[in-house]
Amino acid sequence: KAGVTQTPRYLIKTRGQQVTLSCSPISGHRSVSWYQQTPGQGLQFLFEYFSETQRNKGNFPGRFSGRQFSNSRSEMNVSTLELGDSALYLCASSTDGGAQPQHFGDGTRLSIL
Amino acid sequence: QKEVEQNSGPLSVPEGAIASLNCTYSDRVSQSFFWYRQYSGKSPELIMSIYSNGDKEDGRFTAQLNKASQYVSLLIRDSQPSDSATYLCAVNRLIQGAQKLVFGQGTRLTINP
Repeated sequence: KAGVTQTPRYLIKTRGQQVTLSCSPISGHRSVSWYQQTPGQGLQFLFEYFSETQRNKGNFPGRFSGRQFSNSRSEMNVSTLELGDSALYLCASSTDGGAQPQHFGDGTRLSIL
Repeated sequence: QKEVEQNSGPLSVPEGAIASLNCTYSDRVSQSFFWYRQYSGKSPELIMSIYSNGDKEDGRFTAQLNKASQYVSLLIRDSQPSDSATYLCAVNRLIQGAQKLVFGQGTRLTINP
């Protein structure tokens, strides 16, 4: 069974640009959660999607947005990039969200110059 | 009080000994508890799930849960150098009607040959 697939693995952007990250969950998993990981803040929850609906949202500015498609694939968008957005962005899928085990993809490492 | 607290370490344990990792959580109604292992530069990998009070064993790993004390731990027996990693404790929380997984900051474990 294929795991969670995130693309791209690495991205370099400059301030003010926008970026879109993609996540394909494990087959059969309908919940996709996004996290930001930095050395100082650890793993911070961004949002969770289930059946194309955002079910939960963390404390991030509106520049961070996401969506989920009918095949459960999800995208995350960050607009007007700031230096502080440099981080590892992780996607995790599960059958039904936070009460169930979540399985992570390899992540997208985003660097802002 | 943080939602999920772990000692950041580093925790140094000799090879062959038992490594003990601890985690406390703030929400009394949490029902699902997970331990993840994260190697440097990699994404978190689920190693244990526990849902009821007591011990759960899987190979060299034992998870222990005490809901009355709001405490969950992970024991690693016969520690190997390959166990050197950061261990993340994760606890589910019900927030605004949706389940969310909250992570501790992680404990860095080093196994010394």
